[in-house]
Amino acid sequence: GAVVSQHPSWVICKSGTSVKIECRSLDFQATTMFWYRQFPKQSLMLMATSNEGSKATYEQGVEKDKFLINHASLTLSTLTVTSAHPEDSSFYICSARDWGQTSYGYTFGSGTRLTVV
Amino acid sequence: KNEVEQSPQNLTAQEGEFITINCSYSVGISALHWLQQHPGGGIVSLFMLSSGKKKHGRLIATINIQEKHSSLHITASHPRDSAVYICAVRVAGNQFYFGTGTSLTVIP
Repeated sequence: GAVVSQHPSWVICKSGTSVKIECRSLDFQATTMFWYRQFPKQSLMLMATSNEGSKATYEQGVEKDKFLINHASLTLSTLTVTSAHPEDSSFYICSARDWGQTSYGYTFGSGTRLTVV
Repeated sequence: KNEVEQSPQNLTAQEGEFITINCSYSVGISALHWLQQHPGGGIVSLFMLSSGKKKHGRLIATINIQEKHSSLHITASHPRDSAVYICAVRVAGNQFYFGTGTSLTVIP
């Protein structure tokens, strides 16, 4: 089945530094990928929709200059958290849909737990 | 009010029990997804439903579009089923609304 690989699975960084998270579709092409954030005991919240070859679409309240998204190929989207602050500490997860799959729909990456100290 | 409401929020069951998790939503949807989130955070997509019922192993998912309600059933529950189960509805395009999840613990 469709697999989305997300890396790293966890990262600790210092305030003010930048962190890049990668999301790869391993056996299918993903023209669109989605980035979510989940704070403890809360639901997943869509941050942005990443489109291959074009600018990402950000949800209201998400700073596009802080959360840089690049989707340069059909199998790779990256999220860079710039000038990270402790309040950016969260669980970030990507997803994509393999249009060849009909049963399970969207495939999620395994997530990245970011801790900013 | 959330667009997606799940119940119960927490559920503890004995191994072997039949488990039901409910999801109600208030928006028009193109599909409903049931997701399983493991303790480490990783998410697995269990089902995508737009009507009727689907079965995969010990898992059964049903949806009633008229009542805007879906249920996820687990038969013969096992400790490895312990996870957070999330109901997500997809509206126009690729917009999702997520429930806050049901935390299931199955005790041996």
